[in-house]
Amino acid sequence: AQTVTQSQPEMSVQEAETVTLSCTYDTSESDYYLFWYKQPPSRQMILVIRQEAYKQQNATENRFSVNFQKAAKSFSLKISDSQLGDAAMYFCAYRFPSSGGSYIPTFGRGTSLIVHP
Amino acid sequence: DAMVIQNPRYQVTQFGKPVTLSCSQTLNHNVMYWYQQKSSQAPKLLFHYYDKDFNNEADTPDNFQSRRPNTSFCFLDIRSPGLGDAAMYLCATSRDQGPETQYFGPGTRLLVL
Repeated sequence: AQTVTQSQPEMSVQEAETVTLSCTYDTSESDYYLFWYKQPPSRQMILVIRQEAYKQQNATENRFSVNFQKAAKSFSLKISDSQLGDAAMYFCAYRFPSSGGSYIPTFGRGTSLIVHP
Repeated sequence: DAMVIQNPRYQVTQFGKPVTLSCSQTLNHNVMYWYQQKSSQAPKLLFHYYDKDFNNEADTPDNFQSRRPNTSFCFLDIRSPGLGDAAMYLCATSRDQGPETQYFGPGTRLLVL
């Protein structure tokens, strides 16, 4: 079974500092995709960043970047220059092709990020 | 703005009383998903539709069913809600079945009394 593990239930960071959220996954697939989603309190989940497993280069979106270590099956999210609006639950997700051709999403339990002013 | 809308945001039902949650989308996406999210747990995929094709996850209880009458709307029916079905229910869409970005609605929080 495919699993996604987020070992940090909660993380905190000072405003303007950098924080890294960890995610590991278990798979025997070679074709898969990894995502980080952000879910602010009482608001919908939105995509932060995605990474294709076949790409060696780490994805970057403004202040958000990933450290993708394929051999270690690790996909951590780095948030630089943290802002109060970054406070949210962050979910790591993995999508792999099923036998039917659709890419089934599997989510981790989430990490709650607290940002201190 | 194109979006995923879920109604109602909060739903209270009684033990055993059927309840329907609704989701609509203006993105014209082919795929719609339903997730169950309990506190401190990962969102769990219940099923998804690719166009009219229904795909049930193997461990989704029979108590949960879904309907997609057209591209825009998808419903989650819980035939006989139990206390354990109290959760946040998330609807999501994606353009296609590939590894596309999913777009989520705000969720419906279900309370079972």
